[in-house]
Amino acid sequence: EAGVTQFPSHSVIEKGQTVTLRCDPISGHDNLYWYRRVMGKEIKFLLHFVKESKQDESGMPNNRFLAERTGGTYSTLKVQPAELEDSGVYFCASSPGGIREARTYGYTFGSGTRLTVV
Amino acid sequence: LAKTTQPISMDSYEGQEVNITCSHNNIATNDYITWYQQFPSQGPRFIIQGYKTKVTNEVASLFIPADRKSSTLSLPRVSLSDTAVYYCLVGDNAGNMLTFGGGTRLMVKP
Repeated sequence: EAGVTQFPSHSVIEKGQTVTLRCDPISGHDNLYWYRRVMGKEIKFLLHFVKESKQDESGMPNNRFLAERTGGTYSTLKVQPAELEDSGVYFCASSPGGIREARTYGYTFGSGTRLTVV
Repeated sequence: LAKTTQPISMDSYEGQEVNITCSHNNIATNDYITWYQQFPSQGPRFIIQGYKTKVTNEVASLFIPADRKSSTLSLPRVSLSDTAVYYCLVGDNAGNMLTFGGGTRLMVKP
C-alpha cells in the first residue's frame, strides 16, 4: 500500500512568490490534515479535511494560505504571496474515517515539504 | 486540548529497555493517549495508542495508570535505529487534530 506522498520534497522561492504544495493521501482515507513546523518550533496543526470539506481550519495562519481538496482525493496548499516566516516543513497526514481504524493505525504522515522563502 | 510534558532527551544503549514517561494532568474523559516516532527528514510515524491499563503491539507497550494522568511508552531491547524523537499526544479519537509538544529525543548508543 502506498503511503502519503508529498510533492515537492523541497522548494526554495523568493519572498512574494507563490508556491503550491501537493499531498496525495492513502487511497480511501477520508481524513486529510496539514501541519507545519517552522524553524525551532513545534509541529502545528493547520487544517483538516473530511473528504472534500474543510472540517477545521483553525490553524491556518492567515489568508495567504489556501488549501483545497477537490474531489476528496489529493490536496493542495497554496501560499500566496510567500513571506520569510512561512519557511519550514509542511506535513500532510491522512487517516481512515473509522474510529477503530484510527485507534489502530493512527495518522499516516508524509515525509513533508521543506519550504524555504528567501 | 490537554497539554503533555515529557523529558527533552534520553540516552540508552543497544539491547536495553527504554521507558519514556509523559504527564498529562488535565486529560479529559474522552481523550486517548497516542505516541508517535519521528526520524530526521521524515514525518511522524504512529507507534501506539491507548485509553487505560496496558496496550501492546509488535513495536511497543503503553502503560497507563488508573488516574490516566501519565503514561509510559516502553520500547523493548532498543537498537541504534530507534534513535528518534518520540511524541506523546493526548486528544479525542474522533479524527480531530493532534497537538504535538516538544517530544523526547532518544539517543541509542552502541
